[in-house]
Amino acid sequence: DQQVKQNSPSLSVQEGRISILNCDYTNSMFDYFLWYKKYPAEGPTFLISISSIKDKNEDGRFTVFLNKSAKHLSLHIVPSQPGDSAVYFCAARSNDYKLSFGAGTTVTVRA
Amino acid sequence: GAVVSQHPSRVICKSGTSVKIECRSLDFQATTMFWYRQFPKQSLMLMATSNEGSKATYEQGVEKDKFLINHASLTLSTLTVTSAHPEDSSFYICSASPGQSLMPTGELFFGEGSRLTVL
Repeated sequence: DQQVKQNSPSLSVQEGRISILNCDYTNSMFDYFLWYKKYPAEGPTFLISISSIKDKNEDGRFTVFLNKSAKHLSLHIVPSQPGDSAVYFCAARSNDYKLSFGAGTTVTVRA
Repeated sequence: GAVVSQHPSRVICKSGTSVKIECRSLDFQATTMFWYRQFPKQSLMLMATSNEGSKATYEQGVEKDKFLINHASLTLSTLTVTSAHPEDSSFYICSASPGQSLMPTGELFFGEGSRLTVL
């Protein structure tokens, strides 16, 4: 049973514009939500996270929004850069530190 | 920052042999580490939780006799794929956290991953 879902397998955006990645979850007991960036044959790299008690966290070009009532979070990247092209995974953390991952969204930033 | 290292990054073995993958936390102690597996173009699936000084706990559907986990110290966990077969070919990744007090962002750090190919 997939507890974390990323329904968009891919996203193409022009350089300089905003990238918006979406994620939905089913388990209301998750305490943290995280976004990871991943390249093939490498481990995931942490981007940004948000506690379940917050609704927004911003770090440079990256902002994560959490809507607990809708069990939905999104990652905004603005402005998008060619180096942002990668697979982005949404993950949700249980209080035992286990992460449940979404299927990933492949972002392509066009020059 | 906190770093998790995996070795080897790539391994090719013959069917029926066993392969050991190491996961080390380089600058923090980790009483718990996690092992994930990723098939091509798919998500990361949690295989098991490695607990220092005690038995690993496995997720449903993961064979504990196939994937042996040993958490020998606070900085080292090993995953041994026993009697490997071609269907075990995958990308294996470990992760660890120094704990909430040291990492208030809630993140876990991941190793570089190990690509196993069983011929």
